[in-house]
Amino acid sequence: RKEVEQDPGPFNVPEGATVAFNCTYSNSASQSFFWYRQDCRKEPKLLMSVYSSGNEDGRFTAQLNRASQYISLLIRDSKLSDSATYLCVVNLGQNFVFGPGTRLSVLP
Amino acid sequence: NAGVTQTPKFRVLKTGQSMTLLCAQDMNHEYMYWYRQDPGMGLRLIHYSVGEGTTAKGEVPDGYNVSRLKKQNFLLGLESAAPSQTSVYFCASSYAGRETQYFGPGTRLLVL
Repeated sequence: RKEVEQDPGPFNVPEGATVAFNCTYSNSASQSFFWYRQDCRKEPKLLMSVYSSGNEDGRFTAQLNRASQYISLLIRDSKLSDSATYLCVVNLGQNFVFGPGTRLSVLP
Repeated sequence: NAGVTQTPKFRVLKTGQSMTLLCAQDMNHEYMYWYRQDPGMGLRLIHYSVGEGTTAKGEVPDGYNVSRLKKQNFLLGLESAAPSQTSVYFCASSYAGRETQYFGPGTRLLVL
């Protein structure tokens, strides 16, 4: 089993839609959690950290369930500019493990 | 601040040639990382460093060596390039082990 797994995608959604991404991790010792965004042929950039209490940043909401080892990202009112690959990232103390990513295409 | 920079941006090598990729950061970060990204594989950690003068192996270290002689620089070396090392290489840095990583723009390497 891979350490971090994500929805295989791709997700093709119309503008204005709500879309949810799921991520599971296998190492219960994982210490911190993130969602990164990667545009085509660009470097990954931090979208948001994920906290146990859940956190929201504008149209984006992240949730963490440590008991189920599950992380989610919800995007509301999708914009064309949200089209990208979304990477789930788990920290194991000194290094990070990246999921394979889920590609999102928001269509006009 | 330039953040994290990588040189070169693109390189073509022949099998057996050697090269060094340079990563530099001006954020005074302790931790630095080298990843490779291949289609369908996501980012995989090659080597990392938790401070000047230290290095450690990641998930896919074979065929690569690294050095961190100065805090701001992290070098990735390929002693004898192989076609399997064709990839996009990303460097990243973070202030501490559990903190946000900041990535460089990447180096595209093609080994013929």
